[in-house]
Amino acid sequence: GAVVSQHPSRVICKSGTSVKIECRSLDFQATTMFWYRQFPKQSLMLMATSNEGSKATYEQGVEKDKFLINHASLTLSTLTVTSAHPEDSSFYICSAKPGQNYNSPLHFGNGTRLTVT
Amino acid sequence: QQQVKQSPQSLIVQKGGISIINCAYENTAFDYFPWYQQFPGKGPALLIAIRPDVSEKKEGRFTISFNKSAKQFSLHIMDSQPGDSATYFCAASIHGTSYGKLTFGQGTILTVHP
Repeated sequence: GAVVSQHPSRVICKSGTSVKIECRSLDFQATTMFWYRQFPKQSLMLMATSNEGSKATYEQGVEKDKFLINHASLTLSTLTVTSAHPEDSSFYICSAKPGQNYNSPLHFGNGTRLTVT
Repeated sequence: QQQVKQSPQSLIVQKGGISIINCAYENTAFDYFPWYQQFPGKGPALLIAIRPDVSEKKEGRFTISFNKSAKQFSLHIMDSQPGDSATYFCAASIHGTSYGKLTFGQGTILTVHP
């Protein structure tokens, strides 16, 4: 089945530094990928929609200069948390959908646990 | 109007029992309703999904019941097993326009006791 790979799975960084998270669709092309954020024991909150070859669409309240998204190819989207602060510590999850087929489901990566110290 | 409300927040079931999780939505434009299972430290995995043109879908021990008029749908896990202990999320999306952009429920922590 379709596999979405996310890297790294865990990252610890110091306050003020930037962190890049990669999301790859391993066996399918994804023109669109989604980035979610999840706090402990809470639901997934959509941050942005990543479109290959164009600018990402951010949800209301998500700072686009803080969370930089690049979708340079049909199999790779990256999320960069710039000037990270402790409140950015969270579980970040990407997802992708194979093709444009109405019936193809959304597949999620295994997430990246970001801890900002 | 984009909300999906999920209940209960947590559920404890004995092995072999039936687990039932409910969701309700407001936006009648939603046309795709998946359920996801998430284990600690992992991403959600698709369990089963339904479209509003059917009232029930069954896959193994998992069944979705859908009530379009009430704008409600539920997940039933038959013969619940300790390995089913996880967090379950219902979700909804408008396939035609937002191409898989999901709105998630709040999640239900299921614990199945042996």
